[in-house]
Amino acid sequence: SAVISQKPSRDICQRGTSLTIQCQVDSQVTMMFWYRQQPGQSLTLIATANQGSEATYESGFVIDKFPISRPNLTFSTLTVSNMSPEDSSIYLCSVEEGMDRNTEAFFGQGTRLTVV
Amino acid sequence: LAKTTQPISMDSYEGQEVNITCSHNNIATNDYITWYQQFPSQGPRFIIQGYKTKVTNEVASLFIPADRKSSTLSLPRVSLSDTAVYYCLVGDITGGFKTIFGAGTRLFVKA
Repeated sequence: SAVISQKPSRDICQRGTSLTIQCQVDSQVTMMFWYRQQPGQSLTLIATANQGSEATYESGFVIDKFPISRPNLTFSTLTVSNMSPEDSSIYLCSVEEGMDRNTEAFFGQGTRLTVV
Repeated sequence: LAKTTQPISMDSYEGQEVNITCSHNNIATNDYITWYQQFPSQGPRFIIQGYKTKVTNEVASLFIPADRKSSTLSLPRVSLSDTAVYYCLVGDITGGFKTIFGAGTRLFVKA
């Protein structure tokens, strides 16, 4: 099973600044996914990051606000730009793998962001 | 992607069997049903996946009727540590499956 490491695990940031979250996977994967989970809510998919091409964003999310890099098959970054308190959430990185005839999504522990 | 409907929350007691039902009336022919568990301050974790009839692993069972318009996750003899949010997802797992989460069911297990 894939092991995913995210950095930082948490941060408190000033409004108007930007934070870059790193996601490292212990195996090569084609697609990586970024989610946001607001307090007490379910996960919302932000974008899908493919190596060698631009990320594909879900409705309501734009590249200027959440630029994503995917320089190789084991690493991705998500930047939360020009932050406001509404961006306070947990951000999670995910990959999918076929395991024992199932297709599973594996998640990092998340980055807890607080914007003040 | 098929929309799913689950109860918002459920309560249970230690040692009981818990059944969480998910409705997915517009499930497509190629769609699979997958359940995830999420503890506070952790990312979701895969529990079980199935296409039809019954699937069982060391953690849970998944019951899927013939029309596949619903599914039931069964957790045998729950303990306090099973208190978590359980998500039902439906989608085509081939060719890059975007895992889209619904609201989930908050299960509270009491002593």
